[in-house]
Amino acid sequence: EPEVTQTPSHQVTQMGQEVILRCVPISNHLYFYWYRQILGQKVEFLVSFYNNEISEKSEIFDDQFSVERPDGSNFTLKIRSTKLEDSAMYFCASSEFLPLTIPDYGYTFGSGTRLTVV
Amino acid sequence: GIQVEQSPPDLILQEGANSTLRCNFSDSVNNLQWFHQNPWGQLINLFYIPSGTKQNGRLSATTVATERYSLLYISSSQTTDSGVYFCAVVTNFGNEKLTFGTGTRLTIIP
Repeated sequence: EPEVTQTPSHQVTQMGQEVILRCVPISNHLYFYWYRQILGQKVEFLVSFYNNEISEKSEIFDDQFSVERPDGSNFTLKIRSTKLEDSAMYFCASSEFLPLTIPDYGYTFGSGTRLTVV
Repeated sequence: GIQVEQSPPDLILQEGANSTLRCNFSDSVNNLQWFHQNPWGQLINLFYIPSGTKQNGRLSATTVATERYSLLYISSSQTTDSGVYFCAVVTNFGNEKLTFGTGTRLTIIP
């Protein structure tokens, strides 16, 4: 079964440093997402991306965050200057269609990148 | 925005027992997914179930969209079923993001 691949699985960074989290979505998928989960809390939406632009973003996704699809396969999340509160598990997800258009269809999530800011 | 509440928040069961997890949502949804988050943090998709009933081995799920709830049934629990179970919904109002529930932490004791 096709998978969404995320690298690295763990990353430790110093406060104020830039980090780039990488994702390889399923090859024929067109819609891409980032979610995050602070330890012990529920999963929260960050941003959705379609046709090389952001289609929706949450309040969490401020100017410190950016996303990019630099080539035909990778989808990246950049945090420009990390803060302690950015420590979380970050999940990438993709879908071939919008679930709104095909109700019995959903998202495929990657295994996550655990980011620790020290 | 839509509220998604899950109950119970914690559930401890003996191996072999059956369990029912509930997901209530405050507004109409176009899609609903159940996930199992294993102890390593991975989100494993269990079901896409905006309505009706589906079964997959020892797991089954039922969504009653008109009454705004979904149930996940786990029969003959095994220790590998331990983890956190999340439901997540997509609403009808033009956006495609998933809104996750609060989760149920299930612990299966040998």
